[in-house]
Amino acid sequence: NAGVTQTPKFRILKIGQSMTLQCAQDMNHNYMYWYRQDPGMGLKLIYYSVGAGITDKGEVPNGYNVSRSTTEDFPLRLELAAPSQTSVYFCASSYSRRGNSPLHFGNGTRLTVT
Amino acid sequence: QKEVEQDPGPLSVPEGAIVSLNCTYSNSAFQYFMWYRQYSRKGPELLMYTYSSGNKEDGRFTAQVDKSSKYISLFIRDSQPSDSATYLCAMSGETSGSRLTFGEGTQLTVNP
Repeated sequence: NAGVTQTPKFRILKIGQSMTLQCAQDMNHNYMYWYRQDPGMGLKLIYYSVGAGITDKGEVPNGYNVSRSTTEDFPLRLELAAPSQTSVYFCASSYSRRGNSPLHFGNGTRLTVT
Repeated sequence: QKEVEQDPGPLSVPEGAIVSLNCTYSNSAFQYFMWYRQYSRKGPELLMYTYSSGNKEDGRFTAQVDKSSKYISLFIRDSQPSDSATYLCAMSGETSGSRLTFGEGTQLTVNP
């Protein structure tokens, strides 16, 4: 049981380039999330999904897009990368949408945009 | 003003010390309160969960919630070097559910 797997672990992008951050989970969780973590700012929710085919914006969605074609996968797309998108990105999943359902996190993708 | 405030530290204590970590919040709708632990270069993992007010104990860890003061705490007794990590408080309400609002995290180092 691998849990939540994120790829790549590290990436350096030039301004204006695009990339997709991959996230996969093998726990059959319907709920999946993308957070970014910046020093002094904590974790901010970018996008979330309540099931295949259903996605919604979180607190900081600008500059990002997501899709959810299967229960297992929830990729995050960066179009036209900007230095402000330099961050550590975490994907997470949960069994239910209730507040007492723990989030299971991957180990993150460290992205630098220069 | 941030919805959840947490002192980022860093906090450095000797092995065996009692550690107190705290968060304050402004949203009175928050009902679910959690502490996540994050080791360096890893994702956060759930450490403690409390619903509404009260205390919860799990081994060396105690979580307290005081909704009247909008204040939550995590106590670590007999701290160990393996407790060295960043501790993030997180909370949500009935509407937000699993969409958590996180504090910025407190970096803790326990020295042998």
